[in-house]
Amino acid sequence: AQKITQTQPGMFVQEKEAVTLDCTYDTSDQSYGLFWYKQPSSGEMIFLIYQGSYDEQNATEGRYSLNFQKARKSANLVISASQLGDSAMYFCAMRPRMDSSYKLIFGSGTRLLVRP
Amino acid sequence: SAVISQKPSRDICQRGTSLTIQCQVDSQVTMMFWYRQQPGQSLTLIATANQGSEATYESGFVIDKFPISRPNLTFSTLTVSNMSPEDSSIYLCSARGGDPQAFFGQGTRLTVV
Repeated sequence: AQKITQTQPGMFVQEKEAVTLDCTYDTSDQSYGLFWYKQPSSGEMIFLIYQGSYDEQNATEGRYSLNFQKARKSANLVISASQLGDSAMYFCAMRPRMDSSYKLIFGSGTRLLVRP
Repeated sequence: SAVISQKPSRDICQRGTSLTIQCQVDSQVTMMFWYRQQPGQSLTLIATANQGSEATYESGFVIDKFPISRPNLTFSTLTVSNMSPEDSSIYLCSARGGDPQAFFGQGTRLTVV
């Protein structure tokens, strides 16, 4: 079964510090994509970062980086230098079978609160 | 990246009525999707909106309850029919063009009373 697991319902981080949000996935597909989205209280889903299963380098986008460990099936999001505006829900998602279906499977999410 | 406009942004509806949510993309996209996010939950795919043909529904979602239209490559609608309080959710439109990632509208926050 294809599944995304986020084991941290809530996390706190001090402003300006780094934080890691955990994500593990389960799939038998060889080609897949992993994504992180941010959902502020307004409800919109904001794309943060993408990692392809065949990408050898870990993805980075500004203060966001993805710690991709394929053998362990984990795709943790690292946010460096946290800001108050980073307080939101964070969802890890997987797109199985990159060559066909484009639907996303989402994890249960992690609520991040950045303390001043 | 695609910019997706979704409306209404929120609504309060009486049970037994229907609401149609519109989704407009600023560029032609290959794929459009509709998701539901129940209170405190993650996102669940309702259906893939296919241009010029019937939508493809996920298990647990049926066309009579959630009819979807997609008349062209930039526009889609989702109707939530015969609403009950259990339909109170955020409904999100999503689209994918040439990028690996999908983009989302700002969501429609629906409350059924």
